[in-house]
Amino acid sequence: KAGVTQTPRYLIKTRGQQVTLSCSPISGHRSVSWYQQTPGQGLQFLFEYFSETQRNKGNFPGRFSGRQFSNSRSEMNVSTLELGDSALYLCASSYYSGRSETQYFGPGTRLLVL
Amino acid sequence: TQLLEQSPQFLSIQEGENLTVYCNSSSVFSSLQWYRQEPGEGPVLLVTVVTGGEVKKLKRLTFQFGDARKDSSLHITAAQPGDTGLYLCAGWVLQGAQKLVFGQGTRLTINP
Repeated sequence: KAGVTQTPRYLIKTRGQQVTLSCSPISGHRSVSWYQQTPGQGLQFLFEYFSETQRNKGNFPGRFSGRQFSNSRSEMNVSTLELGDSALYLCASSYYSGRSETQYFGPGTRLLVL
Repeated sequence: TQLLEQSPQFLSIQEGENLTVYCNSSSVFSSLQWYRQEPGEGPVLLVTVVTGGEVKKLKRLTFQFGDARKDSSLHITAAQPGDTGLYLCAGWVLQGAQKLVFGQGTRLTINP
C-alpha cells in the first residue's frame, strides 16, 4: 500500500496570503489528522476529520481550517498568513478515529512565510 | 505548559554508549506511544505501551511504562549512528473527542 502523501512538499508564501495543503491518506483509511510542528512548540494537533466530518479541533485560530472529501483526501487552509505560521505541517491517517488506532504520518509540507 | 515533558531535549553521545530518554506527565494516560522522526520525514510509531509497569523491547530499544501510567522511558543500549533522530512520546487525551498530544521531543545524535 502506498503511504500517506502530502503536496506540496515545500512552499514559500508572504504575509497576508493564503495557502492550501493537501493530504492523501492510506487507501481505506477514513480518519485524517493535521498537526503543526515547530522547533518552539513541537508537534501540535490542529484538527481531525473522519468520514468528511470534523471530529476534533485543537487550539488554533479560525484562520486554520480544513475539509475532507468523500474519497478521504483532506485539505487544510490557512488564511491571512503570519510569520509565525512557518512550520512543518503533517497529516496522519488511520482507519478508525480514536486512540486505538495507529496513526501513519506523511512526510509533511514545509511552509515558509516571509 | 506541555502535558508531556520530555528530557533531555538534546543528547549527543558516542557510538556504543547507552542512553535513556524520559517522558513525564502529571496526568494519567491509558497508553503512551513513542515515535521516531528523521529529517524530511513524518514520525514513525515505534511502540505503544498500555499496562502500568509494562516493558517492551525492540532490538536495542527498551520502553517502559510507569506503574502509575504517568511516565515512560526509552533506553537505548549500544547506540548506533542509525539511531540518530528526533524521539517523541505521545499520549491520547479526551478533549471533546480523542486527540494525540506529543512531548517536545528529544533530538538524539550518535557520533561515530
